[in-house]
Amino acid sequence: GENVEQHPSTLSVQEGDSAVIKCTYSDSASNYFPWYKQELGKRPQLIIDIRSNVGEKKDQRIAVTLNKTAKHFSLHITETQPEDSAVYFCAAISGGSNYKLTFGKGTLLTVNP
Amino acid sequence: GAGVSQTPSNKVTEKGKYVELRCDPISGHTALYWYRQSLGQGPEFLIYFQGTGAADDSGLPNDRFFAVRPEGSVSTLKIQRTERGDSAVYLCASSTRVAGGQDEQFFGPGTRLTVL
Repeated sequence: GENVEQHPSTLSVQEGDSAVIKCTYSDSASNYFPWYKQELGKRPQLIIDIRSNVGEKKDQRIAVTLNKTAKHFSLHITETQPEDSAVYFCAAISGGSNYKLTFGKGTLLTVNP
Repeated sequence: GAGVSQTPSNKVTEKGKYVELRCDPISGHTALYWYRQSLGQGPEFLIYFQGTGAADDSGLPNDRFFAVRPEGSVSTLKIQRTERGDSAVYLCASSTRVAGGQDEQFFGPGTRLTVL
């Protein structure tokens, strides 16, 4: 089955700096890669996603890049704000299942004012 | 509109007891998923329903776990003879399941289960 590795496990940045979180996946048939933000005690919420026919996607301060050959994808947050502090999870859906999300272990992002 | 809701928000039980966790998906969503999230980990897939039927229950850890969705809307996750290792947050998600492609899974707030 699919295996998703996520790094780093914790990331601390100063307000206004950029943050980058990286994930790798094992199943070359995976074709959908969402990123979820989870604040303490709250539900995971989708912030951005990318499909395998696209290399990059941007939404205001957030961008995701996908390298299918290397089987890795990254989340980039620019001009970080304290409210960006949360746990971020990457995930992948294998082409075989078309629905089963496999998550990374998460990255705790702390943005210091 | 209303999102995915789950009840109870917290459940404390004793080892060996039976528990039921409920999920109300977004109205009109045909697909429903259960995940389990242990402390410091990402959610792990348990089971997927398309309509009333369990299309994939490969993530259920053992036969103490069972889930139903009798009318294709509300789902109940049932755990028999609970063990301390079952303690986790149980998340429910739903989606529209657009034919031929993946779509966003909307998560509920979860039920925190503690087995003493």
